[in-house]
Formats: sequence, C-alpha cells, structure tokens
Amino acid sequence: DAKTTQPPSMDCAEGRAANLPCNHSTISGNEYVYWYRQIHSQGPQYIIHGLKNNETNEMASLIITEDRKSSTLILPHATLRDTAVYYCIVSRSGNTGKLIFGQGTTLQVKP
Amino acid sequence: AAGVIQSPRHLIKEKRETATLKCYPIPRHDTVYWYQQGPGQDPQFLISFYEKMQSDKGSIPDRFSAQQFSDYHSELNMSSLELGDSALYFCASSANSGQGVYEQYFGPGTRLTVT
Repeated sequence: DAKTTQPPSMDCAEGRAANLPCNHSTISGNEYVYWYRQIHSQGPQYIIHGLKNNETNEMASLIITEDRKSSTLILPHATLRDTAVYYCIVSRSGNTGKLIFGQGTTLQVKP
Repeated sequence: AAGVIQSPRHLIKEKRETATLKCYPIPRHDTVYWYQQGPGQDPQFLISFYEKMQSDKGSIPDRFSAQQFSDYHSELNMSSLELGDSALYFCASSANSGQGVYEQYFGPGTRLTVT
C-alpha cells in the first residue's frame, strides 16, 4: 500500500473550514484513499473514502487531485468536537481491509 | 444504530498472566479486525478474520491468538503478559462489499494494564 505524508499538526478557528492535506505520490490505480479520525483515546472513526472523484458525505468532503497524488479532507464548519488526530490511509481494493495508520495530523479547533 | 461492543472496557493483569478480550461486531458485519495502540502511538494492526477464517496478520506476538466464532464475535487471547502489552486494544468490524472497499467501525477499546 502507498505511503502517505501529512502535516503533524494544524489549527483551525471554530466555524471555519478545516482543510487537511495528504500526499500519496506513489498511489496506484486500484488504491483508495480513506480518512479516519481519532478523538482522544476513543476508537478511530471512519470519515470518508474515494478513488478518483471528489466525494461528500454528512461529515466531510474529499478532494482528490486529477493525478491522484494528493488529496484534501475538508470539514466545512469545524467545531470544537472536531479536535482529533486525522489519518489519511491508502489501501488497495481487494486486500483484506487492514488499515495501516501513519503519523496523522492533529487538528486543534480553537474558539 | 448498533455499534461494535468490546468487553471488558478495562482490565488489569499481572506479568505472566493471561487475558481474553472480546469483540461483538455490528450485526451482519462479516469481518473483524484487532488493533493495538500503545501510549502515545498510532494504532497497529494485529489480525483480522473474514467469515470465521483468519484473513490477515500483522505484528501480532506469538503469545497472542485470536479467533472468530460462528456468531461472528471474536476473542483475542493474550498469554504470558508483559509490561509492554499495556495498551488500548481496539476491535473493528466491516461488511465485505465484494468490491474490496471497506469502512471499518471501531469499538470503544479495552484498556489493558499489565503490572
């Protein structure tokens, strides 16, 4: 599975959009981009995933560049409860589904 | 909506003892994963089961074993416990979509402390 690179930490003002970048320059054609987050010591929470097209759900939007070498997770209106570690994970379709967690980005939402 | 259930939530054991952690997946989910998260670390994949068969294995010590039962619940058995086994243990479940795309739903974790 491709390696991902994320900034170690980011701040965001409450109510503003949080844009979390992820680089996955070695991604291959059958690899999906997944985003999970972990609020302190809780179980990780699935946010969204995508292959090529941009995706949106009730939690967030995922923007994947045309060359698929990077992506951005967008939380449109961040709240204090969005403070968490956000993990960008690339995983090949058809594998067993295991998640390889990397460093992640610690997002701090401030009032 | 039903979530993944893990028991116990907290467990304290002494070195060289054994521990059994249980996981009850979301109904109709056929795949279970186990992860270990040490203090200040990211979760690490241990092992997974699909339809009661082991499907993948990560950095799981030989002292650990796991299985998935006919009702799809899973148990992680840990023997000869060491201080370094102190960690949060998460179980996750997913439904095999047949397309190789998995959304995993995690339980609240079991905090194991080895003294």
